[in-house]
Amino acid sequence: GQQVMQIPQYQHVQEGEDFTTYCNSSTTLSNIQWYKQRPGGHPVFLIQLVKSGEVKKQKRLTFQFGEAKKNSSLHITATQTTDVGTYFCAGPYNTNAGKSTFGDGTTLTVKP
Amino acid sequence: DVKVTQSSRYLVKRTGEKVFLECVQDMDHENMFWYRQDPGLGLRLIYFSYDVKMKEKGDIPEGYSVSREKKERFSLILESASTNQTSMYLCATGGPQHFGDGTRLSIL
Repeated sequence: GQQVMQIPQYQHVQEGEDFTTYCNSSTTLSNIQWYKQRPGGHPVFLIQLVKSGEVKKQKRLTFQFGEAKKNSSLHITATQTTDVGTYFCAGPYNTNAGKSTFGDGTTLTVKP
Repeated sequence: DVKVTQSSRYLVKRTGEKVFLECVQDMDHENMFWYRQDPGLGLRLIYFSYDVKMKEKGDIPEGYSVSREKKERFSLILESASTNQTSMYLCATGGPQHFGDGTRLSIL
């Protein structure tokens, strides 16, 4: 299956600082999905990007899909303590079956 | 709202036992998945199913099997549990995927 690499593995920020996690694939992705997993919880779907160069925003979160559809990023502006958790990107493992290959995730901690 | 229900939140079993983990979804989704999640290893796909009685191996199927007799139910079976199968098991459905709360399984 496709391999999706995610960096960094961990990020510690002061509340109010910005945060970015990056996702890279060696092959072109038909789409990319982002999920958030709170400590002790399960992954929750945030958004799906499909188009080359697409940018979507959800309040303080900005998601980008690269022009070549091989990379993506999630940027959080002015982090809050509620942003803590692990953020995963996921590429399609097999589009027809809806299988996804998940990155290893970036764990964000926010110091108040 | 999609509801994915896993039968147990916590489970403790002994080495060599046959273990069943159940997952039920209420959204009539065709796709269902089983993952295990271990610290530092992310989410690894064990098996998935795209229709009743259809299944395909994921990345780490060894030591596991699955059953999908009805569309809403997808079961993960540990044929003979071993200590290295101690993990968090997550069921998911759809695509984008909706996850259950997970089963933390300990094999003693």
